[in-house]
Amino acid sequence: EIVLTQSPGTLSLSPGERVTLSCRASQSVISSNLAWYQQKPGQAPRLLIYGASNRATAIPDRFSGSVSGTDFTLTISRLEPEDFAVYYCQQYDNSPPRYTFGQGTKLEIK
Amino acid sequence: QMQLVESGGGVVQPGGSLRLSCAASGFNFGIFAMHWVRQAPGKGLEWVAVISYDGDNKYYADSVKGRFTISRVNSINTLYLQMDSLRPEDTAVYYCARPVESFDWLLPFDSWGQGTLVTVSS
Repeated sequence: EIVLTQSPGTLSLSPGERVTLSCRASQSVISSNLAWYQQKPGQAPRLLIYGASNRATAIPDRFSGSVSGTDFTLTISRLEPEDFAVYYCQQYDNSPPRYTFGQGTKLEIK
Repeated sequence: QMQLVESGGGVVQPGGSLRLSCAASGFNFGIFAMHWVRQAPGKGLEWVAVISYDGDNKYYADSVKGRFTISRVNSINTLYLQMDSLRPEDTAVYYCARPVESFDWLLPFDSWGQGTLVTVSS
């Protein structure tokens, strides 16, 4: 069973800063099967990135994703006030179908 | 405009049962696989189950296998989750979610409902 470990648990930053969130898989993951979500309090998650680096519909280009081996990264180039939220990575694989989420990284205003 | 609306949550005693519904609108429900995902209070996301677009294939997380049953009725655009033998650790907000593309289930989820809270407590 693949485990996704996100780091750090919490980040305190200011609007305008650049941030990099990490998601490490416990074993090899097909990069096309990795996604990132944003969740604000009291709301459902929102898909940001799929296939490790593809922005979902209507997601601003300040959000980007990348992969290096089993390390996946979500970068927000310049934080906007609305970006402070919890971010989750997710991987999905078959045989049988499994959808695993990381434990989340909380991005809070400094 | 596509919409997913969950209902059926509430308070139930340990060992009890509950059936959740997810009413879909604004898209062709019958060609999309559908998922249930839950989130315990203050915790992260946990995938629960998936059903294929035609209802022929169903898969579950180990934590709910044998206790929960996912089903759908395409003629009325509705997804269900029958939850039996409920435990306190099943307490969570339950979301229905749709994949980004039709037919395939091995995809991320780009549409979510607002969630319905299930509380298992005596």
